[in-house]
Amino acid sequence: KQEVTQIPAALSVPEGENLVLNCSFTDSAIYNLQWFRQDPGKGLTSLLLIQSSQREQTSGRLNASLDKSSGRSTLYIAASQPGDSATYLCAQRGTSYGKLTFGQGTILTVHP
Amino acid sequence: DADVTQTPRNRITKTGKRIMLECSQTKGHDRMYWYRQDPGLGLQLIYYSFDVKDINKGEISDGYSVSRQAQAKFSLSLESAIPNQTALYFCATSDISNEQFFGPGTRLTVL
Repeated sequence: KQEVTQIPAALSVPEGENLVLNCSFTDSAIYNLQWFRQDPGKGLTSLLLIQSSQREQTSGRLNASLDKSSGRSTLYIAASQPGDSATYLCAQRGTSYGKLTFGQGTILTVHP
Repeated sequence: DADVTQTPRNRITKTGKRIMLECSQTKGHDRMYWYRQDPGLGLQLIYYSFDVKDINKGEISDGYSVSRQAQAKFSLSLESAIPNQTALYFCATSDISNEQFFGPGTRLTVL
């Protein structure tokens, strides 16, 4: 059974700090991994998608890495801003036709 | 206009009522999904469809049914709603790349 764990469950940082969110998965047969952002009461916004053949993906201040051998992905946020405050979710897909398995998320608060 | 839309956005109903949640997409994606989100449990897959003729059960399909009326439309029904189906429901779509795009969600409360 696929399981995805995110650490920490919550994180509070001052504006401007660089930070790392962690995602661990138990199934090494990973097809891709996707990072999402969710604002309170809202839907999920796709941030980055990393295919199993890739090591990392970058979009603006965000960088996501994937290490299949250790079963880990990290989301790096540079120069954090209050607008980055949200819940960040990672989700693993095991096969091309498999379902996404979600972690429970990290609640990020960036205070001015 | 939003690429993935859900109606209604909020719904309060009573135990035993039949409820339909609708999802439409303009992304042209073949694959569509229904999830529910509960505090502390994350997102769980209810049903998914890879094309109009394909319907598959997810992790928690009991008490739910779906209909894929067209490539762009995927509806979720609760035949007889019960209080523990109170949750936030999301529709999502993906193309062959498998990157998933989510709708804004429907907040359902069953009294």
